[in-house]
Amino acid sequence: AAGVIQSPRHLIKEKRETATLKCYPIPRHDTVYWYQQGPGQDPQFLISFYEKMQSDKGSIPDRFSAQQFSDYHSELNMSSLELGDSALYFCASSMGGTQYFGPGTRLLVL
Amino acid sequence: AQKITQTQPGMFVQEKEAVTLDCTYDTSDQSYGLFWYKQPSSGEMIFLIYQGSYDEQNATEGRYSLNFQKARKSANLVISASQLGDSAMYFCAMREGDAGGTSYGKLTFGQGTILTVHP
Repeated sequence: AAGVIQSPRHLIKEKRETATLKCYPIPRHDTVYWYQQGPGQDPQFLISFYEKMQSDKGSIPDRFSAQQFSDYHSELNMSSLELGDSALYFCASSMGGTQYFGPGTRLLVL
Repeated sequence: AQKITQTQPGMFVQEKEAVTLDCTYDTSDQSYGLFWYKQPSSGEMIFLIYQGSYDEQNATEGRYSLNFQKARKSANLVISASQLGDSAMYFCAMREGDAGGTSYGKLTFGQGTILTVHP
């Protein structure tokens, strides 16, 4: 069965640089969620989209923005990166039921 | 206030034995869903089992079962016949606003429990 695809899987950036994370949901899933998991932490909700509209917003810094496109893929844009942004970023998708997670993008900010 | 509490930072179990991972939750919603996810050292987040607040029977999925005690607000995961591959971090999560298992709400996670299975 098709799963959630995230790219890139690993990313290394310098402070103050920008990063773009991509997420391709499971086919026919209409909702995408982004979570951030810091080292040794539980995942924290950032933002979600339902049918290409933002549906909920969590503790997402103003430096971050996201959108969902017409083909339902989503992108998380991160600017002015800080050391504290180093984390595992998950995308999950659902059709209103169980959220299925992608493999994550591991971001390291140096 | 913490909505999901997992009080066991680490648990050890012998291979082939059963183990219970604890999870308590706090919500004023009448409709909610409880989930367990497994995170191996490789990092991916794997869905294990779901329990809706209105489900009268405890959920089961293969070797996983959920001991749901609504009055106590607990949703403990029971893994039977542990295998070496069960060694991982386990997260309990809650989604508020569930209606018959459907909700577009976010997940709130507990702190996780690291399970180590000994041969």
